[in-house]
Amino acid sequence: AQSVSQHNHHVILSEAASLELGCNYSYGGTVNLFWYVQYPGQHLQLLLKYFSGDPLVKGIKGFEAEFIKSKFSFNLRKPSVQWSDTAEYFCAVIEDYKLSFGAGTTVTVRA
Amino acid sequence: ETGVTQSPTHLIKTRGQQVTLRCSSQSGHNTVSWYQQALGQGPQFIFQYYREEENGRGNFPPRFSGLQFPNYSSELNVNALELDDSALYLCASSLVGAGPNQETQYFGPGTRLLVL
Repeated sequence: AQSVSQHNHHVILSEAASLELGCNYSYGGTVNLFWYVQYPGQHLQLLLKYFSGDPLVKGIKGFEAEFIKSKFSFNLRKPSVQWSDTAEYFCAVIEDYKLSFGAGTTVTVRA
Repeated sequence: ETGVTQSPTHLIKTRGQQVTLRCSSQSGHNTVSWYQQALGQGPQFIFQYYREEENGRGNFPPRFSGLQFPNYSSELNVNALELDDSALYLCASSLVGAGPNQETQYFGPGTRLLVL
């Protein structure tokens, strides 16, 4: 079964800095991938998803992710973060209708 | 807001008791999945219900059971509660039919369960 690893447990940034969060899935073939975000006190929300096509996927709130098949990676990026991007970010892969999540990365943006 | 609702928001139970958590799907969705999120971890898949039948199950014991109703709402039941069952329980609804692994799951706010 697919599994997901997220390399960074906690990232601390200043506003306007660029953000990149790593995500790797365990094996190849056709994969469908997601990034979800959990803002403090809120529910898990979909940021973006990749099913097929252009490997550079744009999501909400200025986020994007790049699917690199050769590296089994689906890294999340944002060129310039804001204080409101403080949240926990989860990468996930879907297989047999089941989402498998990484452990999450807590992002703290300092004003 | 996703349109997925869960009740109750918080619950405190003692070890050995039974609990029922409820979920209402987003309008137009036909599938409900349940996840357990322990503190500091990513959500773990418990099971999924489609057409009122269990469609897949994660690595959880049989004391975790569920139901899906004709209106696509769902219940998660946990018997013989253990301390390790303390977690945030998330419900996600989706529309199955676009093709294998093509569904997008939308999450509710969760029920936080504390077992003492």
